[in-house]
Amino acid sequence: DIQMTQSPSSMSASLGDTVTITCLASQDIGNYLSWYQQKPGKSPKLMIYGATNLEDGVPSRFSGSRSGSDYSLTINSLGYDDEGIYHCHQYYEYPFTFGSGTKLEIK
Amino acid sequence: QVTLKESGTGILQPSQALSLTCSFSGFSLSTTGICVSWIRQPSGKGLEWLADICWDDGKGYNPSLKNRLSISKDTSNNQAFLKITSVDTADTATYYCARGYYSSSDYWGQGVMVTVSS
Repeated sequence: DIQMTQSPSSMSASLGDTVTITCLASQDIGNYLSWYQQKPGKSPKLMIYGATNLEDGVPSRFSGSRSGSDYSLTINSLGYDDEGIYHCHQYYEYPFTFGSGTKLEIK
Repeated sequence: QVTLKESGTGILQPSQALSLTCSFSGFSLSTTGICVSWIRQPSGKGLEWLADICWDDGKGYNPSLKNRLSISKDTSNNQAFLKITSVDTADTATYYCARGYYSSSDYWGQGVMVTVSS
């Protein structure tokens, strides 16, 4: 199975800050990487697909990037609504797998 | 408008079989490129992909569940199904179904809670 090592597991940032969450894939997954935001008691919401493509309706403050096997989600100008858990997800090869999640708290 | 809704047995005893139904609207599982996945999440933990079924009846399974999974679809009635045999307490989770269209799952259901307890 492809392991997705996500970091950090949790973080706290202030309004207006910029934060970056990363996922390291254990083998090549090309650009078959997506990012989800999940709020308490809700289903995950697709934010980024294809490593760098912004899902329709997602603010442009969110961006995805790739450097080799490292994938990053960057959020600019943090707002309270960005609080939640972020999951990376590889859909390159069965079984599809998720990172362990990053809990983002806004101070 | 794309919507999905999961339904199934809420409480089971160990060794029983879990049957889940995903009822959806706004798309068809006969459309090229469409797949429906099942993902679960134990309370307070991460997401685990279980299986998917696609427009061409292709199927994928997570081998970590050791052949306990069976996925199927009813295209005419816009439903997908997942069966998990021989459940135990580790199968207690919220189960989601989600649609993918040539890409990562973009629409998810609200999830259904399943508890396995003796």
